[in-house]
Amino acid sequence: GAGVSQSPSNKVTEKGKDVELRCDPISGHTALYWYRQSLGQGLEFLIYFQGNSAPDKSGLPSDRFSAERTGGSVSTLTIQRTQQEDSAVYLCASSLVDGSNQPQHFGDGTRLSIL
Amino acid sequence: RKEVEQDPGPFNVPEGATVAFNCTYSNSASQSFFWYRQDCRKEPKLLMSVYSSGNEDGRFTAQLNRASQYISLLIRDSKLSDSATYLCVAHNYGQNFVFGPGTRLSVLP
Repeated sequence: GAGVSQSPSNKVTEKGKDVELRCDPISGHTALYWYRQSLGQGLEFLIYFQGNSAPDKSGLPSDRFSAERTGGSVSTLTIQRTQQEDSAVYLCASSLVDGSNQPQHFGDGTRLSIL
Repeated sequence: RKEVEQDPGPFNVPEGATVAFNCTYSNSASQSFFWYRQDCRKEPKLLMSVYSSGNEDGRFTAQLNRASQYISLLIRDSKLSDSATYLCVAHNYGQNFVFGPGTRLSVLP
């Protein structure tokens, strides 16, 4: 079946612009996670959704970052007034339920470059 | 202190070697554990879940020691295609998956 789908695959934009990244999880997966990864670095957790609610937003680096999820499915991550340090690969993952030994499955990521 | 810590690596081993990765986690409430592999400029992919009794999948063996809060991954008969970064992950239900920084493995011909 279809995996986690992210769009766009690549995004190049000028500093100060807003960007919106989209994640379409695996059908039926109730949990959804956003991470970012800078070149050569580990995964940095951003936000976690269970259904449409976000129990854990602790990783959002500033108030320029926001995310929403509607209908328990698609999620969008919005970055306002982008800065060069926002350049990274933004990864989305989903899992079936928040339960025993249910792993995450990742999308291919969105490679964001801020000029 | 990071919540999940791993051997910093890199590990450079010859083909056919056996290599072991260690991982420790600090949250004793963590309930599920996984190993992922990540190839350069690719997304992480699930390698295997880690069960309390230990589990094996072909050349890969994972062990969990809850008392010591320690997880391991053993790779036998290393292949060139095993070259990647290996990520240890701990999960507590209702919370985020916590990824370790990863250990880089290079299998050399």
